Amino acid sequence: DAGVIQSPRHEVTEMGQEVTLRCKPISGHNSLFWYRQTMMRGLELLIYFNNNVPIDDSGMPEDRFSAKMPNASFSTLKIQPSEPRDSAVYFCASSLEPIQRSHGYTFGSGTRLTVV
Amino acid sequence: KQEVTQIPAALSVPEGENLVLNCSFTDSAIYNLQWFRQDPGKGLTSLLLIQSSQREQTSGRLNASLDKSSGRSTLYIAASQPGDSATYLCAVRKETSGSRLTFGEGTQLTVNP
Repeated sequence: DAGVIQSPRHEVTEMGQEVTLRCKPISGHNSLFWYRQTMMRGLELLIYFNNNVPIDDSGMPEDRFSAKMPNASFSTLKIQPSEPRDSAVYFCASSLEPIQRSHGYTFGSGTRLTVV
Repeated sequence: KQEVTQIPAALSVPEGENLVLNCSFTDSAIYNLQWFRQDPGKGLTSLLLIQSSQREQTSGRLNASLDKSSGRSTLYIAASQPGDSATYLCAVRKETSGSRLTFGEGTQLTVNP
């Protein structure tokens, strides 16, 4: 398995532009998570899906952020309009729920977003 | 609200030393605890997962213990190597938080040759 695949790896955009981050979870996993990592706040959960349905989006900072999971193999996180304070590394992770004894979460390599 | 604390924030040791990283959590009603490693500019790699009913897990030179009642976990690294240099994060999953993980801020480890 190729693991959790995120694209792009790096994104530099101007303030006000729309940004779309993409994630392909591990095949067979039924839960998908979007996390954001910054120096100030560490790792924060933004939203997670179970069986393609958003379960908890309480971590989404504001209406400028939206996430979709149209099918079991693809999810997007969109920021519109982007602001400099959105600069961070965005991670996608997936898991099989109920969580198995020998498995946990698998993270992607992240997308480093810079908004100038 | 679950809070996870990792001590120390940074650690520098000579190669070959055995070392212990600490993780504490405020709510002992956890489902499991997971240790991750993060290399600079990279994603998180899962190292060990301990279910709440377990006391420890081992993988190679790594051993993680869990004392759920006291809200503590330790990650023991034996015979450290320069390649172990990374940030180590612990994360807990509460019984009632669904699938949410709460992360500590990490311990940045440097192993000097």
